[in-house]
Amino acid sequence: AQSVTQLDSQVPVFEEAPVELRCNYSSSVSVYLFWYVQYPNQGLQLLLKYLSGSTLVESINGFEAEFNKSQTSFHLRKPSVHISDTAEYFCAVSSAGTSGSRLTFGEGTQLTVNP
Amino acid sequence: KAGVTQTPRYLIKTRGQQVTLSCSPISGHRSVSWYQQTPGQGLQFLFEYFSETQRNKGNFPGRFSGRQFSNSRSEMNVSTLELGDSALYLCASSLGDRTDTQYFGPGTRLTVL
Repeated sequence: AQSVTQLDSQVPVFEEAPVELRCNYSSSVSVYLFWYVQYPNQGLQLLLKYLSGSTLVESINGFEAEFNKSQTSFHLRKPSVHISDTAEYFCAVSSAGTSGSRLTFGEGTQLTVNP
Repeated sequence: KAGVTQTPRYLIKTRGQQVTLSCSPISGHRSVSWYQQTPGQGLQFLFEYFSETQRNKGNFPGRFSGRQFSNSRSEMNVSTLELGDSALYLCASSLGDRTDTQYFGPGTRLTVL
């Protein structure tokens, strides 16, 4: 079985400041890693994912995440945030040891960007 | 391409009743997964259907059940509703591999009184 821990439940930052949302996972087998974002009253949207290869993955809207196998982490970063980035962010894993589409999510981090 | 749709968007029921939620996946997607989202428990996996067969199941009681039709549309049923079943129920569709992106619908907000 796998688990995901998001170390911060709330992260307030000012506009144009950098931000890091932390995610650690635990699994006895290889995992695939995802970051999803949820805006109010909406479903989840994929931000980025790590499957294999380069440990640094980027999204089209300026977010990036780095897979660190030794620290079992997949932290999400953005060098300069905008008001529109205010949302809840979820880190998730799927296991290479099971078939099918089953995601295990962290508890979520509420990012609030203040002017 | 149309996204994942869920109906109804909002539902109010009383304890003891049953409810059926519907999910229409993105065209061509054969996998539909259901998740329950609550403030206390976060996002929890309910089950996944692929080609009309349940492929994965989470740790929920038997009151929670689902099915998938030949056109990949899926329904989720909850019988004998309890107050604790109040939640946002999200469905997600994908091509079916564990590396595939899951596309989420907007959810059905169920309130049990």
